[in-house]
Amino acid sequence: SAVISQKPSRDICQRGTSLTIQCQVDSQVTMMFWYRQQPGQSLTLIATANQGSEATYESGFVIDKFPISRPNLTFSTLTVSNMSPEDSSIYLCSVVLADAYEQYFGPGTRLTVT
Amino acid sequence: AQSVTQLGSHVSVSEGALVLLRCNYSSSVPPYLFWYVQYPNQGLQLLLKYTTGATLVKGINGFEAEFKKSETSFHLTKPSAHMSDAAEYFCAVGMDSSYKLIFGSGTRLLVRP
Repeated sequence: SAVISQKPSRDICQRGTSLTIQCQVDSQVTMMFWYRQQPGQSLTLIATANQGSEATYESGFVIDKFPISRPNLTFSTLTVSNMSPEDSSIYLCSVVLADAYEQYFGPGTRLTVT
Repeated sequence: AQSVTQLGSHVSVSEGALVLLRCNYSSSVPPYLFWYVQYPNQGLQLLLKYTTGATLVKGINGFEAEFKKSETSFHLTKPSAHMSDAAEYFCAVGMDSSYKLIFGSGTRLLVRP
């Protein structure tokens, strides 16, 4: 398995501001993803964080709103830009252990936008 | 397109009773199937997975699931529920070599004393 940490664990932000969430893994991994879990909902994939290149976004998510960086094989950031109350969610990063086709999740960042 | 359906947003069982959480999938190719558990205010923990081979898969905490291709199902079971099993359970299907997961809507398991 992999040990994944996220910072911050939670935050309360004002509308119109931006928040950057960090995801750190204890080993090098090929695949990293970012998911959103809206209150009482399931998980929705935001994007694949590609090392050294632009992230690949899923339908309904755009780079201007959710810029992602991945400078190396153990670290990634997700920024939630120009926030509105509708962005209040839990944001989770995940990593894939390709050999075992297993995906592991970080503890999540609980974001509240007021 | 692949999709996952979890029947029952809430399931309530008595402590010691059988747990059965239902998951059906649609996929045009042989799927990779997963069950995750989410405890309050925590991330997701992998319970078990099916990729190939034996269709009855055993996971952590006494859970198991059976892949039934003819029924396109991957139901999660546990013979005897414990209070500590109360959580949200998510079924997910893997999208081949992209490793992306599509999640079901989740089932909240309540365990009555």
